[in-house]
Amino acid sequence: QTVVTQEPSFSVSPGGTVTLTCGLSSGSVSTSYFPSWYQQTPGQTPRTLIYSTNTRSSGVPDRFSGSILGNKAALTITGAQADDESDYYCVLSMNSGVWVFGGGTKLTVL
Amino acid sequence: QVQLVESGGGVVQPGRSLRLSCAASGFTFSSYAMHWVRQAPGKGLEWVAVILYDGTNKYYADSVKGRFTISRDNSKNTLYLQMNSLRAEDTAVYYCANGYCSGTSCPPWYWGQGTLVTVSS
Repeated sequence: QTVVTQEPSFSVSPGGTVTLTCGLSSGSVSTSYFPSWYQQTPGQTPRTLIYSTNTRSSGVPDRFSGSILGNKAALTITGAQADDESDYYCVLSMNSGVWVFGGGTKLTVL
Repeated sequence: QVQLVESGGGVVQPGRSLRLSCAASGFTFSSYAMHWVRQAPGKGLEWVAVILYDGTNKYYADSVKGRFTISRDNSKNTLYLQMNSLRAEDTAVYYCANGYCSGTSCPPWYWGQGTLVTVSS
């Protein structure tokens, strides 16, 4: 079974820029995987940030952006803020109707 | 505004069954795909199943295929997850979420608050 890969952890300084990635154990991620990104703080419901590669969900600040970088999907946070400290998950469509989440990235802002 | 309210969680013994419900409001339920996603304690998100807008197509994660059944009643704006032959590893918070469109290319979009299922003897 295909595994969706994410960095387990990442850190960024306040005001800095960070790019989180979402890849495949075998193959390249493209827009046809409809990569989407979610933010979750402990004890809270996931919040949709980006869907279908680069469409920002309603109310999401424009400092969050999605793209394809090389063979991976990417979530870039520009001007990181303290309350961006969260877990970030990507999900990919396997084009068989099945979706698979990555293991998540724990982002620390310090 | 979109509201998704899950119910039906609880403590159940291994091998038993449970049915979850998700009541939807604030959008045209019959026009959107619907997902179930779960999260085991202290773990990441795991996609469980999706049903397309009209209920004709359903897809499952390998971990639940053959044991769980997703269904919907568009007349009641309600999504269901019938869970049979439950195992300890099914213990999780179960979230329902609508897809942002009707078909297979529609990822989870708006999320409910979740309902906790604990499988334990």
